[in-house]
Amino acid sequence: GAVVSQHPSWVICKSGTSVKIECRSLDFQATTMFWYRQFPKQSLMLMATSNEGSKATYEQGVEKDKFLINHASLTLSTLTVTSAHPEDSSFYICSARDPYTSGGNEQFFGPGTRLTVL
Amino acid sequence: AQSVTQPDIHITVSEGASLELRCNYSYGATPYLFWYVQSPGQGLQLLLKYFSGDTLVQGIKGFEAEFKRSQSSFNLRKPSVHWSDAAEYFCAVGALTGGGNKLTFGTGTQLKVEL
Repeated sequence: GAVVSQHPSWVICKSGTSVKIECRSLDFQATTMFWYRQFPKQSLMLMATSNEGSKATYEQGVEKDKFLINHASLTLSTLTVTSAHPEDSSFYICSARDPYTSGGNEQFFGPGTRLTVL
Repeated sequence: AQSVTQPDIHITVSEGASLELRCNYSYGATPYLFWYVQSPGQGLQLLLKYFSGDTLVQGIKGFEAEFKRSQSSFNLRKPSVHWSDAAEYFCAVGALTGGGNKLTFGTGTQLKVEL
């Protein structure tokens, strides 16, 4: 149980285009999902917390107009990188919180999406 | 705010040798602690977690970790390392915030296993 998927697993796009990444909880309903960014050889940095049916909460320094997050259902959150530039190239990982597992204190991670902007 | 320190950026051990990866955290209350492993280009796999109770936690793949409140540590151990254990290891601390837990990750320890 507690499986999280991401799509696509990798994407290459041209500078100036927008890219959407999907995060799905496959066997549970996730009231809260999280988006992380990981640069090569570095740790995961939380970008934003996404709550179903409400606006995402962004971490300090993350441009909300650049990284649009939508959590329209209990099993789907999307991250859209708008007007992507090469510096947005990174590994994006989502996680989901199952409120009925471990008292809601555990996050289940997706496999990540590798974004390369040319 | 919580923070996590993994003092060792790289560790090399011989296959069959014992392993200890260090993790120190800073958090004002009782933390939720996690160890994850990440292979290149992959997502995170949970090795073990500590929420409360027994301070010695058993995880998958023969890993264990011990929560020591007095030292603010949660070190990961394995008695005999296998070549397949070579990967990046992340310690994380969870903090309950409005709307759900936020995880703060350490900078990671890259484990290399010599055959």
